Amino acid sequence: DGGITQSPKYLFRKEGQNVTLSCEQNLNHDAMYWYRQDPGQGLRLIYYSQIVNDFQKGDIAEGYSVSREKKESFPLTVTSAQKNPTAFYLCASSMFGEGTEAFFGQGTRLTVV
Amino acid sequence: KQEVTQIPAALSVPEGENLVLNCSFTDSAIYNLQWFRQDPGKGLTSLLLIQSSQREQTSGRLNASLDKSSGRSTLYIAASQPGDSATYLCAVIGEYGNKLVFGAGTILRVKS
Repeated sequence: DGGITQSPKYLFRKEGQNVTLSCEQNLNHDAMYWYRQDPGQGLRLIYYSQIVNDFQKGDIAEGYSVSREKKESFPLTVTSAQKNPTAFYLCASSMFGEGTEAFFGQGTRLTVV
Repeated sequence: KQEVTQIPAALSVPEGENLVLNCSFTDSAIYNLQWFRQDPGKGLTSLLLIQSSQREQTSGRLNASLDKSSGRSTLYIAASQPGDSATYLCAVIGEYGNKLVFGAGTILRVKS
C-alpha cells in the first residue's frame, strides 16, 4: 500500500530532551512537509523540503530541525529550545505543479511531561 | 504572503440538510486548492482537489467550486449525514514556493 507513515503515534518528552519524529513515504513524492496543529487551530508549517538534501523554514521553525538524506524520509527533531512543544504533528508529501495532490500521515501527538 | 480564511468557524445542522462551507485566499497565483477532512485526533484525508484551470470537482455528495480570480472556493455537501461530522480544511499551494497553506477549518456537526 502506498502512503505516508508517521511514528510513533504518541510521544512523551521530558524537559530538556530532544526527540525525533519519523515520517516515511513510498509515494515517490519530491516534496515533504511538517506541520504543527494546536487544539482548535489550523495547521502551521514548520519545515518543508522540495528535494533531497535541501529544506526551507516554514512559519514556526524555531526550536525544530529536519534532515532530508533520502527521498522517502523527512524526520523532524523537536529540540530543547522549543519551549512549548506539546502539540499534534502532521507530515505530508506531494509532487510539484498543477494537479498534484498532497497526502498526510496519521500524526504524532507529542506531550511534555 | 498567502492567507487562507474559512467561514464559518463552526456549523451545526440537522441531518439531511444541504450545506456550504466557504474558503477564501488572498493570492490568486495558485496551482491547486484542496479540501480535506479531519476526524478528532486523526490525520487529514483528502476529499477533493481542484486545479487552478478547473472550476469545480465532484465526488459523491461533495462538490467543490473554485473562482480563482476572486480568491474563493466553496465546498457543498448534499444531504448531510451524522458521519459527515468532522473538521473541514481547505488549503492552497502557490505557484511560487510550493508551500501548502491552510485555513483554520470549519467544525461541522450533523445532528441525527
